Amino acid sequence: QKEVEQNSGPLSVPEGAIASLNCTYSDRGSQSFFWYRQYSGKSPELIMFIYSNGDKEDGRFTAQLNKASQYVSLLIRDSQPSDSATYLCAVLKSNYQLIWGAGTKLIIKP
Amino acid sequence: GAVVSQHPSRVICKSGTSVKIECRSLDFQATTMFWYRQFPKQSLMLMATSNEGSKATYEQGVEKDKFLINHASLTLSTLTVTSAHPEDSSFYICSATLSGASARMQFFGPGTRLTVL
Repeated sequence: QKEVEQNSGPLSVPEGAIASLNCTYSDRGSQSFFWYRQYSGKSPELIMFIYSNGDKEDGRFTAQLNKASQYVSLLIRDSQPSDSATYLCAVLKSNYQLIWGAGTKLIIKP
Repeated sequence: GAVVSQHPSRVICKSGTSVKIECRSLDFQATTMFWYRQFPKQSLMLMATSNEGSKATYEQGVEKDKFLINHASLTLSTLTVTSAHPEDSSFYICSATLSGASARMQFFGPGTRLTVL
């Protein structure tokens, strides 16, 4: 079992709809979780981070964390074509290294 | 804030030569920097963790004599790919963390695309 798992996609969502990206992790002791966006040929860009159970909202983005079920998700409301990218889920280890999921490719269709 | 730069952004070299990549934190002091490699359509692969003033910690399977890392100051880390070969062609990305509680967040440089002919 991989430490951080994501569906590789592609996930295709109509413009204006809600895109839902999911991630599960294996280490129950994990405390910090991150969502990065990566455009093709570019480096990752931090979108959201979440440390506590529940929802965290920032603009069109909402991160959701459920430690009991060991999953973290990212919702993108009012999806735009510019949101088309690969979304990487990352979980922080105690030595500050990140464990990365393989990424979900999101395609927003105009 | 938390801007990380890399230089060069793109480099093409001949097989057998060495290439140095610089990673700088522009507006903060980075206690820890990480070096990643990413092949096409694959996720990030951590190569090494670099702490200022100490030797880098390499991940399993990464040759420390081939990928030399120097972290001489709190704002600069360098990765030197020695005797590069075509299989070393990849996208190399560094990241940097702040100290204290903010060390949980990694800020990434724009990456360096290395092509070895």
